Amino acid sequence: QKEVEQDPGPLSVPEGAIVSLNCTYSNSAFQYFMWYRQYSRKGPELLMYTYSSGNKEDGRFTAQVDKSSKYISLFIRDSQPSDSATYLCAMGDNYGQNFVFGPGTRLSVLP
Amino acid sequence: EPEVTQTPSHQVTQMGQEVILRCVPISNHLYFYWYRQILGQKVEFLVSFYNNEISEKSEIFDDQFSVERPDGSNFTLKIRSTKLEDSAMYFCASNSDSTDTQYFGPGTRLTVL
Repeated sequence: QKEVEQDPGPLSVPEGAIVSLNCTYSNSAFQYFMWYRQYSRKGPELLMYTYSSGNKEDGRFTAQVDKSSKYISLFIRDSQPSDSATYLCAMGDNYGQNFVFGPGTRLSVLP
Repeated sequence: EPEVTQTPSHQVTQMGQEVILRCVPISNHLYFYWYRQILGQKVEFLVSFYNNEISEKSEIFDDQFSVERPDGSNFTLKIRSTKLEDSAMYFCASNSDSTDTQYFGPGTRLTVL
């Protein structure tokens, strides 16, 4: 079983839709959870990070963590064409150290 | 806003040659990282560096790889004898301490011919 798995996509949605992106993991030692956005041929850009179960909201983005199920989600409300990118989940057991990334989900938001 | 910078943006080299990829982390950051991403695949951790020494490295980071912080601003990744399978995007990242997440540079695309 891979350490971090992510919905493969690609995912295409109309502008304004609510998007749900998901990752599952197997290592119960993971405590820190991040979502990165990566545009084509660019470096990952941090969107959200959290270390506790529950929801964390930032503008149109909500990160959700369920440690008991080893499942994290990123919700994007009112999606925009500029949200079109690959979304990477990442997680680690020591914050600031060796993050493990998921393979990414490519999202296209169609105008 | 401070950012991590990397040079060059694209490096083409012949198999067996040495390459040095350069990074300038955010100025007050103390922890430094290299990751790579083979085209179409996931981002993979290579090495972390703190207090002038490697703190953790992955299986990918074998004897062909080395890192150095030659001065107060640069952080380099050296590949001694490049192989075709080293072709990838290499990302540098940095953070300030355990309360901060990692900030990534734009990457260097390495092409080994």
